[in-house]
Amino acid sequence: AQSVTQLGSHVSVSEGALVLLRCNYSSSVPPYLFWYVQYPNQGLQLLLKYTSAATLVKGINGFEAEFKKSETSFHLTKPSAHMSDAAEYFCAATGGGNKLTFGTGTQLKVEL
Amino acid sequence: SAVISQKPSRDICQRGTSLTIQCQVDSQVTMMFWYRQQPGQSLTLIATANQGSEATYESGFVIDKFPISRPNLTFSTLTVSNMSPEDSSIYLCSVQGPQGGNTEAFFGQGTRLTVV
Repeated sequence: AQSVTQLGSHVSVSEGALVLLRCNYSSSVPPYLFWYVQYPNQGLQLLLKYTSAATLVKGINGFEAEFKKSETSFHLTKPSAHMSDAAEYFCAATGGGNKLTFGTGTQLKVEL
Repeated sequence: SAVISQKPSRDICQRGTSLTIQCQVDSQVTMMFWYRQQPGQSLTLIATANQGSEATYESGFVIDKFPISRPNLTFSTLTVSNMSPEDSSIYLCSVQGPQGGNTEAFFGQGTRLTVV
């Protein structure tokens, strides 16, 4: 069964600093991987996805993630944090079927 | 992409009552998914709803508690029955792109339920 682990339920960065949100997956088959963002009182919005093409995936709002099979990781990064990036971020995976397995989420706080 | 509308966006309900949540999609989709997001937690899949057949429930969720209807390819409802405070959560409707698992899922804005 697929599982997704997000290290750090809360991450705090200064505005302009690097954002790094960690995600590891466990799968016996090549996964499809996703990062979603959830702003307060809103649904989930897709940031980016990995579907076995390029290992470095660029998404919206300046975010990107790198698929590393050897580390079973799909960490999310952004070079320079903005106040508007404060939200909850979810990593998710599917083994090629239709069921998404979500990580527990990381709350990103951006401080002045 | 798909645009999903959920109603109601929030509700406060008395324990022992039931609430039906509606999900409307702007395009025809084969599978619709219902998730629960408990306070401070991640999303947990409740069930998958296919048009023309009974919903498939995940472990820990039963039809008597969460009956689902799927009358056509653009609409589904989830009922939370005989509610207790433990049912206070955000309930989200979701669909996936036409290629299935390798495309993103689209989500409604959620229904924030508080049971008192």
